[in-house]
Amino acid sequence: AQKVTQTQTSISVMEKTTVTMDCVYETQDSSYFLFWYKQTASGEIVFLIRQDSYKKENATVGHYSLNFQKPKSSIGLIITATQIEDSAVYFCAMREGTGANTGKLTFGHGTILRVHP
Amino acid sequence: EAAVTQSPRSKVAVTGGKVTLSCHQTNNHDYMYWYRQDTGHGLRLIHYSYVADSTEKGDIPDGYKASRPSQENFSLILELASLSQTAVYFCASSDAQCTTGQLYFGEGSKLTVL
Repeated sequence: AQKVTQTQTSISVMEKTTVTMDCVYETQDSSYFLFWYKQTASGEIVFLIRQDSYKKENATVGHYSLNFQKPKSSIGLIITATQIEDSAVYFCAMREGTGANTGKLTFGHGTILRVHP
Repeated sequence: EAAVTQSPRSKVAVTGGKVTLSCHQTNNHDYMYWYRQDTGHGLRLIHYSYVADSTEKGDIPDGYKASRPSQENFSLILELASLSQTAVYFCASSDAQCTTGQLYFGEGSKLTVL
């Protein structure tokens, strides 16, 4: 069974700095997809960025990037030049690639990010 | 704009009562999901569906039923609500043709069982 673990409960940083959020996963599959989602204070959950397990290149979208370390089963989210509006809960998630494409995701417990001025 | 909308957004129910949470999507997606969020537990999958008139159990289905009468609509039913079912419930959809599995979430429904 797949499992996703986010060990950092909360992180506080100053505005305009870089922050890294950790995530480790467990899977028996050789093919899988890793995601990061953001939940804002209003409760809205939005997709941020994805890493396909077969890709060696780290994904980057805007000021979000990933640190994918496959041998360590680790997928860290890096946010550069943080802004106040980056304050939110960040969820790591995984979907195994085999079988029918049900799109089922397994989520970590989330990391609260607080960005201070 | 494509969207996933949930109703009600907030509900207070009594223990033993019946609760129905509704979800409607205009994404033209085949897959729909119900997740539960509890503080400190992230999101956990309750039920999902990949076609109308069919539902599948997720990771925590006990105490819940689901109904998918059409591609656009997916309901979560608590026949006998219990205190432990107090949580925020999220509906989501995804495209069957999208191999990435990206989910589009609704706004959430906060359920309080007293």
